[in-house]
Amino acid sequence: DADVTQTPRNRITKTGKRIMLECSQTKGHDRMYWYRQDPGLGLRLIYYSFDVKDINKGEISDGYSVSRQAQAKFSLSLESAIPNQTALYFCATSDSQGLALYNEQFFGPGTRLTVL
Amino acid sequence: DQQVKQNSPSLSVQEGRISILNCDYTNSMFDYFLWYKKYPAEGPTFLISISSIKDKNEDGRFTVFLNKSAKHLSLHIVPSQPGDSAVYFCAASATNFGNEKLTFGTGTRLTIIP
Repeated sequence: DADVTQTPRNRITKTGKRIMLECSQTKGHDRMYWYRQDPGLGLRLIYYSFDVKDINKGEISDGYSVSRQAQAKFSLSLESAIPNQTALYFCATSDSQGLALYNEQFFGPGTRLTVL
Repeated sequence: DQQVKQNSPSLSVQEGRISILNCDYTNSMFDYFLWYKKYPAEGPTFLISISSIKDKNEDGRFTVFLNKSAKHLSLHIVPSQPGDSAVYFCAASATNFGNEKLTFGTGTRLTIIP
């Protein structure tokens, strides 16, 4: 079973719709991240959370919001989707207290979102 | 402002030969570097890392070299195998300055030719 799961895996929606992408992890990690991947631009950080009460903006947070419902769950919302939010979205986790290599992040399988 | 750059979008290497993937960075506060590997329809997976106190780290067929003065790191894969065909991302963080977020490069697609 995957340690970091994302739902849905694929989503096609229309401009102006509200979309929520969900991420769950069973690794027991305290830190969670949302990235988007675009061709030629690599992975860019949208939001990150170092614990349940800590939410921080990344480099491209405009047009997105997040919710850390529990240590294991971190959701990303697009309040009013636009076509340039079409991308591959990844959730990741890391462990600030455990034995994992420093700063190693574990990624989910990704959600491919298309906004028409 | 791309702080971590991978200037080669793609690279093709014969099976059994050495693959060398390069990464340059501009932020002198970066002190920890990682390489991730990504297959299609999967998330990136951690491959190897190096701290700025070292200039080399080796793990099996994979070796990462760091040249701090040139702000350059490279990943060597030898011998290259077909299963190494993937997109490789380098990433950096400024841990000593309290910034533990990762900044990723744009990726290099490696194709190993049988």
